[in-house]
Amino acid sequence: AQSVTQLGSHVSVSEGALVLLRCNYSSSVPPYLFWYVQYPNQGLQLLLKYTSAATLVKGINGFEAEFKKSETSFHLTKPSAHMSDAAEYFCAVSDLSLPNAGGTSYGKLTFGQGTILTVHP
Amino acid sequence: EAQVTQNPRYLITVTGKKLTVTCSQNMNHEYMSWYRQDPGLGLRQIYYSMNVEVTDKGDVPEGYKVSRKEKRNFPLILESPSPNQTSLYFCASSKRTYWNTEAFFGQGTRLTVV
Repeated sequence: AQSVTQLGSHVSVSEGALVLLRCNYSSSVPPYLFWYVQYPNQGLQLLLKYTSAATLVKGINGFEAEFKKSETSFHLTKPSAHMSDAAEYFCAVSDLSLPNAGGTSYGKLTFGQGTILTVHP
Repeated sequence: EAQVTQNPRYLITVTGKKLTVTCSQNMNHEYMSWYRQDPGLGLRQIYYSMNVEVTDKGDVPEGYKVSRKEKRNFPLILESPSPNQTSLYFCASSKRTYWNTEAFFGQGTRLTVV
């Protein structure tokens, strides 16, 4: 079974400082990994995704994440935080689910617990 | 504009009073699902649908029903809501059920059951 653990439910940084949000996963098969961001009172939107092409993935708004198979990690980073980065961030893993009653598998997304990022002036 | 639309955005109801949260997408996506978001637990899948008339349980289906009569719509039904169903609900859709496909999310429905 797949699972995702995000270390730290709250992270606080100063504007201009490095942002590091940690994500570790477990999966029985090579996974596809995602980071989603949720701004206040909004739905989730995709920040970036890893699909086995390159281990360093660049996303929107200056974020990037590195897939490290040996560490089963997919940490999210940004060199310099902006006030507008304040949001909740979710790491998610997708792999094929067990077949349902009809014998069909599907790409099931499993989310981590979320990390709330606060950016101080 | 490509979007997933949920209604209502906010709902307060009483225990036992049936309610429906609607979800509609305009991207012709086959795959739709419902999640609930609770503090410290992230998002947990309630039900999903791989196409019209094809639905199945997710991780936390108890107390919920769904239907998929049309491709664009995937309503979530609470026949007899209870306080433990107070939560933030999200509908999501994606083009395929393949494991590397991006999911698009609605704005969320904040439900309070008193």
